[in-house]
Amino acid sequence: EVQLVQSGAEVRKPGESLRISCKGSGYRFPNYWINWVRQMPGKGLEWMGRIDPSDSYTKYRPSFQGHVTFSVDKSISTAYLQWSSLEASDTAIYYCASYSVVHSDAFDVWGQGTVVAVSS
Amino acid sequence: EIVLTQSPGTLSLSPGESATLSCRASQSVSSSYLAWYQQKPGQAPRLLIYGASHRATGIPSRFSGSGSGTDFTLAISRLEPEDFAVYYCQQYGSSLFTFGPGTKLDIK
Repeated sequence: EVQLVQSGAEVRKPGESLRISCKGSGYRFPNYWINWVRQMPGKGLEWMGRIDPSDSYTKYRPSFQGHVTFSVDKSISTAYLQWSSLEASDTAIYYCASYSVVHSDAFDVWGQGTVVAVSS
Repeated sequence: EIVLTQSPGTLSLSPGESATLSCRASQSVSSSYLAWYQQKPGQAPRLLIYGASHRATGIPSRFSGSGSGTDFTLAISRLEPEDFAVYYCQQYGSSLFTFGPGTKLDIK
């Protein structure tokens, strides 16, 4: 079964660091971009950016550039989203999604989401 | 950045009726890179339509997509109770993906 499995919910204080993960299985992980999507409470979907697992090339949406970091360990088919200093406004559900695994030119496989809560 | 606008914001219909959801882009979008997603409460989004008109695997035939350029439509015929959800369009262009704000389809 093709799937992405994300790490569990996290609670942090402002200023703390955090890394969440997204592990792919059932397909050739290095061959397909991993995208990160933010959904703030009660709001819509925002594309944050993507990483190419084959060479770790990243593309950030400008509004997220410098605040988050994408990385990948293709040896264990896992992508990461990292913050060095969280803010309360980072409270959201974060989804990873792979691009075009079934040749759709779209996000055809999604993780279940990771809830991140940032509060003092 | 291409901006997507969806209308209406909320659509209230009854099971058995048909729904038409609109997605308009601020500039022309390649049909190959226009997709629709469905999201139910507490769930991750699910791909419905890709390439503007192609149903994803397992999506019922009552869902159909159409359009080109700046205007795209998702049509749902004979609404089933499980179809009431939020629908997002998405495009890919100039190395960036963007989502529309969503249309909430709720039960009348």
